Amino acid sequence: ETGVTQTPRHLVMGMTNKKSLKCEQHLGHNAMYWYKQSAKKPLELMFVYNFKEQTENNSVPSRFSPECPNSSHLFLHLHTLQPEDSALYLCASSRRDRNTEAFFGQGTRLTVV
Amino acid sequence: QKEVEQNSGPLSVPEGAIASLNCTYSDRGSQSFFWYRQYSGKSPELIMSIYSNGDKEDGRFTAQLNKASQYVSLLIRDSQPSDSATYLCAGAYNTDKLIFGTGTRLQVFP
Repeated sequence: ETGVTQTPRHLVMGMTNKKSLKCEQHLGHNAMYWYKQSAKKPLELMFVYNFKEQTENNSVPSRFSPECPNSSHLFLHLHTLQPEDSALYLCASSRRDRNTEAFFGQGTRLTVV
Repeated sequence: QKEVEQNSGPLSVPEGAIASLNCTYSDRGSQSFFWYRQYSGKSPELIMSIYSNGDKEDGRFTAQLNKASQYVSLLIRDSQPSDSATYLCAGAYNTDKLIFGTGTRLQVFP
């Protein structure tokens, strides 16, 4: 079992759909992150949660809504997305006292049609 | 605006050679630096962390940090075709925010 698990691996959704991405970490970490990776762009930090509290919202549009019910689980709720939101969405986790060594899940490849 | 900059490449090296990957960063407040390897279609994998000036070696990999010049590098000795991937440099701000460069694509040819 990998340390950080994301589901689903692939998702195709229409612009009027609502879907959720799930992330689970089994590493005993206390910080979790959502990143977006688009072609030819750096990994973009979207949200940071420390001990279930959101500590960073990097000017992300409200059509992306994160949820962190506990230190092991992180969700990204999606609604009324645009085609330009198509990207690889990566979840990561770390221990805050380990100089932010972050470990990534396999990612969800999202296509908005 | 905190930035981490890398040459996108591709950097092409023959098998057995040393591959040298470079990264610069804009914020002197960054404390820790990381190199990730990302194969096509896969997620980034942490390969090296470096926190203080100087060199850090791990197997065929050596990370170098020069905080005065705001420069981080990764050397891969005895490069193998399996090392062909995109290498991402990242700097940590505070303790919970990683800023990534765009990555350098490395190609190792037999």
